[in-house]
This record gives sequence, structure tokens and C-alpha cells, in this order.
Amino acid sequence: SYELTQAPSVSVFPGQTATITCSGDKLGDKYACWYQQRPGQSPVLVIYQDTKRPSGISERFSGSNSGNTATLTISGTETLDEADYYCQAWDNSYVVFGGGTKLTVL
Amino acid sequence: QVQLEESGPGLVKPSETLSLTCSVSGASISDYYWSWIRLPPGKGLDWIGYISDTGSTNYSPSLESRVTISLNTSKNQFSLKLNSATAADTAVYYCARGQTTWYFDLWGQGTLVTVSS
Repeated sequence: SYELTQAPSVSVFPGQTATITCSGDKLGDKYACWYQQRPGQSPVLVIYQDTKRPSGISERFSGSNSGNTATLTISGTETLDEADYYCQAWDNSYVVFGGGTKLTVL
Repeated sequence: QVQLEESGPGLVKPSETLSLTCSVSGASISDYYWSWIRLPPGKGLDWIGYISDTGSTNYSPSLESRVTISLNTSKNQFSLKLNSATAADTAVYYCARGQTTWYFDLWGQGTLVTVSS
């Protein structure tokens, strides 16, 4: 079955750029999306179709997807960005989530 | 404003069936895919399955033998049944709306289901 791999944690200082990656076989040939989940809240879509940002999502969030890696970039990281981030793709009619990355803003 | 709301028992006994319903308001259940996704304590998001507006379904291979997702278009609802529940099924369960290029743009608030005697 298809798998997506994420680092368990990433730390960044306020104002810096946070980079969260998601790896999967030929992931660049599929659409990737990203969700933010704060503790006790439902996931929120922050990037879809590799690079698109839903209405209401800050321009500080951007995405890319090429080769075997999709990347979520958060520029000018703020304390409110501290959350779990999940990548997700679709493979042969199945939805697959990455294991999640906990972003800590130091 | 489209909203999704999960409902169902918060406590299920081992070996019994876990049953949840998702009510969709502010939009028709047509033209989308509707999914169930869960978050076990201390773990990551786990996709359970989806149903299309035409009633076709697809389930996670790890749960396929125990899961049924159904649609009630007259009530604008869809439902989840998970048979033979065990403690490993304890999780916050979310319903979500899926777009045709496979991302979930709307989520319910989630409901905690605990499997325990």
C-alpha cells in the first residue's frame, strides 16, 4: 500500500521560515494537500492541489510538489502556527495521510 | 454556510457496532465525496472510507472487512458503521467533504468514541 512519510517534529523561531516535507514514491505525479490541526480542533485545509491556498488561508503558507517530495512552507512563522500538519494524497482510489509533523514555535 | 455535524454514541462496548451519522446543512449532498476520518489518541489521521453522491463506496484496506458507509439523500446525511469494535477503534471521528481532486475542504467538529466495557 502507498505510504507518505513525514518527520515527527520541526522547530522554528518566530519570524523564521518553517519547512515541512512529505515523501512518497513518485508523489510529484499525484496531487498533494496539507492540513493544519491545532489541539482539540478539527483539521483545516491549508494547501490543495500541490500549491493552491483556500480562501482565508494566510499567504504565508505555500506548497510545492516534485519528484518524491511535497513541501509545505510557512514564512514568517507565528506562535499561532504551532500545530500538527498532515500531508495527504490519493493513490488508486485510496486516501493516504502522512503520519503528521508537530510544528513547535520556540 | 456549509456545516457538517457528527452524532452518535460516545461509548461503545467491545465487539459491538460503532455507529455514527453526519448531518450536512447549507448544501446538497450531491456532487461531492463524503468521508469518515478518525484520530486515535496520540496518533495521526486515519482515513476510514468514502461514499460518492451516487452511492459508490471505497474503504481503507485495513478496515474494509468491518466498515459500511451509507447515504441518506432525503435527510442530507451519511452514516458510518464499524462492526466488532475494539479498544483500538477509540478515536475522535470526523466526517468530511471531499472534492473530486481528493482533498477535504470541510470537516465536522469531530466526536469522541470510546470503546470500553
